[in-house]
Amino acid sequence: AQSVTQPDIHITVSEGASLELRCNYSYGATPYLFWYVQSPGQGLQLLLKYFSGDTLVQGIKGFEAEFKRSQSSFNLRKPSVHWSDAAEYFCAVGPYGNKLVFGAGTILRVKS
Amino acid sequence: DVKVTQSSRYLVKRTGEKVFLECVQDMDHENMFWYRQDPGLGLRLIYFSYDVKMKEKGDIPEGYSVSREKKERFSLILESASTNQTSMYLCASSSASSGTLAKNIQYFGAGTRLSVL
Repeated sequence: AQSVTQPDIHITVSEGASLELRCNYSYGATPYLFWYVQSPGQGLQLLLKYFSGDTLVQGIKGFEAEFKRSQSSFNLRKPSVHWSDAAEYFCAVGPYGNKLVFGAGTILRVKS
Repeated sequence: DVKVTQSSRYLVKRTGEKVFLECVQDMDHENMFWYRQDPGLGLRLIYFSYDVKMKEKGDIPEGYSVSREKKERFSLILESASTNQTSMYLCASSSASSGTLAKNIQYFGAGTRLSVL
């Protein structure tokens, strides 16, 4: 069954603090994994993706994510959060059939 | 830069009206998608199209139809709008460079927030 879980609906971090957003999925093989970000009033923008190879992937805006097969996870991290990182973050996993399935999203608030 | 343009940012319609949401992409992408975004539910796929005049149902097609007469344009149609279709609608496009639909990066429009009263 297709399942993508982002356990945290909201997260608040202080500016300059580190960040980790969680994503878990159910999938039998190695999936295609994506993180997208949606800033207020904007569409979704790709942060990074993983298909195969090195399990630590670098993305735009200083984000990285690590694929952990044993934990069925693809958590997004950033060492130092900026106020402009406040947004909603979506994990996406596929293929289920031939489609991507998106998680419910995590809203990040950054406090100064 | 890839640009996906949705014709309206905000729409207010009455129950029972026929509603058209329009989406245009300028990157000659083969694939186009319509999603619905609701708080706590993420993005759910309504319909997608992998070629002109071709369409496939997504996960929640009921109450919706689509039209793709030209490669760059993908329309979502609510035949008879209902209040439970009040939502944010996102259009996306992707190339067909990878053989697997799910592997191609999707580019999103800014969304249309539809209110049905």
